[in-house]
Amino acid sequence: SQQGEEDPQALSIQEGENATMNCSYKTSINNLQWYRQNSGRGLVHLILIRSNEREKHSGRLRVTLDTSKKSSSLLITASRAADTASYFCATVALGNEKLTFGTGTRLTIIP
Amino acid sequence: DTEVTQTPKHLVMGMTNKKSLKCEQHMGHRAMYWYKQKAKKPPELMFVYSYEKLSINESVPSRFSPECPNSSLLNLHLHALQPEDSALYLCASSQDRGGTLGEQYFGPGTRLTVT
Repeated sequence: SQQGEEDPQALSIQEGENATMNCSYKTSINNLQWYRQNSGRGLVHLILIRSNEREKHSGRLRVTLDTSKKSSSLLITASRAADTASYFCATVALGNEKLTFGTGTRLTIIP
Repeated sequence: DTEVTQTPKHLVMGMTNKKSLKCEQHMGHRAMYWYKQKAKKPPELMFVYSYEKLSINESVPSRFSPECPNSSLLNLHLHALQPEDSALYLCASSQDRGGTLGEQYFGPGTRLTVT
């Protein structure tokens, strides 16, 4: 079953703008991960943030985690056409050995 | 080599056919996974293998039969599928981190159509 909800479901922005996606989840977690999926292809791991971390950066990506609100956000700065994809958050619950994916955000970058 | 490969890329099969999906990784990962993904939906976990042993079966119908012949290979045997089983089937692998699941590496998937 899906644990996470993401919003927005779809987002279209101009190239060069920043894109922000949000993820909410329901149970206590060990870590939260973000993945990108280009149309009909496999998923690519972007970033992992542990439950004791509040913010993490990787290149143009910035992820925040608020465990008190059970939410996370992914910020992509200076977007490019190649960032067009679906983005999924995925959580690893405490004592669990599986990923549970959120509903995903479809991001479209308009050149 | 940080790649997970899957064959075939596309598969069309009838409801009475038997076919197999194959997945391979050479990263030394000891956990491997099968996911099913319907269009515009997130991946749904089907099976987890840890050290070549089935550790999680998410109540998947018996017409899907996983197999892990060795630490690099994962198969999914298909028999008597239904049209609603048409989906993208994704394989993934990850390192054993002593119980804490880290990032997973995904293959490109097999697009399955059941007619």
